[in-house]
Amino acid sequence: DADVTQTPRNRITKTGKRIMLECSQTKGHDRMYWYRQDPGLGLRLIYYSFDVKDINKGEISDGYSVSRQAQAKFSLSLESAIPNQTALYFCATSDRGVVYGYTFGSGTRLTVV
Amino acid sequence: GENVEQHPSTLSVQEGDSAVIKCTYSDSASNYFPWYKQELGKRPQLIIDIRSNVGEKKDQRIAVTLNKTAKHFSLHITETQPEDSAVYFCAAKEPHNNNDMRFGAGTRLTVKP
Repeated sequence: DADVTQTPRNRITKTGKRIMLECSQTKGHDRMYWYRQDPGLGLRLIYYSFDVKDINKGEISDGYSVSRQAQAKFSLSLESAIPNQTALYFCATSDRGVVYGYTFGSGTRLTVV
Repeated sequence: GENVEQHPSTLSVQEGDSAVIKCTYSDSASNYFPWYKQELGKRPQLIIDIRSNVGEKKDQRIAVTLNKTAKHFSLHITETQPEDSAVYFCAAKEPHNNNDMRFGAGTRLTVKP
């Protein structure tokens, strides 16, 4: 679905660099999430937001930060990237009050060397 | 918090056979159980879901069953086809916990022609 867009699609960065991953959505959903996917570990929640300026830690928030300045945008930052943050990152959205599954973005493959 | 376990981690079947993937969850209050399919290099996509007030749901060749007493739910795919080959994730949602969904580790299904 083009309605949840992540940029960049692929990124290689060096250890210690700051990097930002962007997510934007046109679905009008209130809730946005950042997940990390590693082989054999499934999808693990990093941060989530239920509204503009609302930020909540997930299972594995250490080493990450997020910003939700607008309803449609949710960005994930790695302040000082390390190799074990190499993973596939997904943004997802869901609608408040409606028990539906998530809509995932296309993913960002991040490699930290 | 909720803990979701998924088995098997890999599954290989012949085209036309059935495939079953099982998940267990820990929080008896969880009330929503979606299944996602992730094809190689693509985003997870919702394929079927079930709510706790229902024991079974079917959509063409796929079905999901829920046993609330035993706290497990299963995905059944009948008459498998090569295009069913993908990674499948189960998830469970806690109604009282704002971090929403916990995912299983995934099952890689291979359908051999």
